[in-house]
Amino acid sequence: QEQLQQWGAGLLKPSETLSLTCAVHGGSLKDYYWSWIRQTPDKGLEWIGEINHSGSTKNNPSLKSRVTMSVDTSKNHVSLRLTAVTAADTAVYFCARVLTYDYEWGSYIRTTFFFDLWGQGTPVTVAS
Amino acid sequence: SVLTQPPSVSGAPGQRVTISCTGNSSNLGAGYDVHWYQHLPGTAPKLLIYGNDKWPSAVPNRFSGSKSGTSASLAITGLQAEDEGDYYCQSYDNSLGVSRIFGGGTKLTVL
Repeated sequence: QEQLQQWGAGLLKPSETLSLTCAVHGGSLKDYYWSWIRQTPDKGLEWIGEINHSGSTKNNPSLKSRVTMSVDTSKNHVSLRLTAVTAADTAVYFCARVLTYDYEWGSYIRTTFFFDLWGQGTPVTVAS
Repeated sequence: SVLTQPPSVSGAPGQRVTISCTGNSSNLGAGYDVHWYQHLPGTAPKLLIYGNDKWPSAVPNRFSGSKSGTSASLAITGLQAEDEGDYYCQSYDNSLGVSRIFGGGTKLTVL
């Protein structure tokens, strides 16, 4: 059964760099995009970005300048780095697998994206 | 949040509750599908409904979804104590740089 296992430092000081890793167990990185999503009490769920096995990325513009995502296919890992953290980055961070499909809507073709497999979440607190 | 959900809903065991998700002409109204997630305390979020009304395997049909225009709904029938948790809708928006959008979440309390 496929599972995502996450780990990383849970307590950071302002200006430090958040670093998280997500391992795919029982499946392959290939053929999917892998997202990072965070949850805060104020904003709920917020999409951070996603990466595929070849390293192609898509990003949330509000975080893009501070986010680096990477992939290690030999270890079946994806990783997230978020630089210059502040208290506003305090959240539970999740990795998730992205599924996508196309469908017709009137004369248009739509593409939808959703998340069918999630990691257990990593709480990260930023405090001085 | 771009998608609007009620902050909380509640119901007694066995009852039916619905959770609404309201968007606009750039997301739900533009024909983009809505998906629903259940997040129970201490667990990973779980895909509950995808493509407006489709069930992933192992999700009981007590959960159902619908969409019309700029609104969507998640219905839960035969409410059980273990359903208590947070529920989120999610879709795609073609006017924002952050294309994958979530609702603010709804806390379901089983009385």
